[in-house]
Amino acid sequence: EVQLAESGGGLVQPGGSLRLSCAASGFTFSSHSMIWVRQAPGKGLEWVSYISGSSTTIYYADSVKGRFTISRDNARNSLFLQMMILRDEDTAVYYCARGLLMHGLDVWGQGTTVTVSS
Amino acid sequence: QSALTQPASVSGSPGQSITISCTGTSSDVGGYDYVSWYQQHPGKAPKLMIFDVSNRPSGVSNRFSGSKSGNTASLTISGLQAEDEAEYYCSSYRISGAVFGTGTRVTVL
Repeated sequence: EVQLAESGGGLVQPGGSLRLSCAASGFTFSSHSMIWVRQAPGKGLEWVSYISGSSTTIYYADSVKGRFTISRDNARNSLFLQMMILRDEDTAVYYCARGLLMHGLDVWGQGTTVTVSS
Repeated sequence: QSALTQPASVSGSPGQSITISCTGTSSDVGGYDYVSWYQQHPGKAPKLMIFDVSNRPSGVSNRFSGSKSGNTASLTISGLQAEDEAEYYCSSYRISGAVFGTGTRVTVL
């Protein structure tokens, strides 16, 4: 079964750091681009970052550029999001998803919650 | 990176058809045939319903259809069913990224 499972969320103070992980199973991870999407409480979806299968192409939303770093380890079928200098407005459920920016995200994890608060 | 504009809510009776609009610009919706639609039930992850404007992934009901004209994309749900009650988001590719819509709450009366 194709699955994605996020972990690493939690409570962090403003200015702090957190690293999210996404474990993939049931498909050839290295053949697929991956994306992080977040959803603030009661709000809509927001695209955060994209990484190609070989990590050669990486994009970030303006709201996280310079603070977040996306990476992947194809040997471990894992995707990561290193988040630094966290702000209150980064509070959200963070989803990892499989797919291309152009053609839609066909597999989603269940999400992990990040709360930035003092 | 402004979100695409969707109506906040749309409602319909069982069996009816409804259409959700998604308005962007020539830099996203109007510039590419890369519009996707997602369904999200409360507390759940989004589910891909339409990709590349009008294509359905395997397993998605043919009651869901998509189209585009200029800078506006649309999702039509035919034969509305109780299980269709959810939040719907459009998404479009744009250079070096993507953008989601503001979301539309679909209510089955």
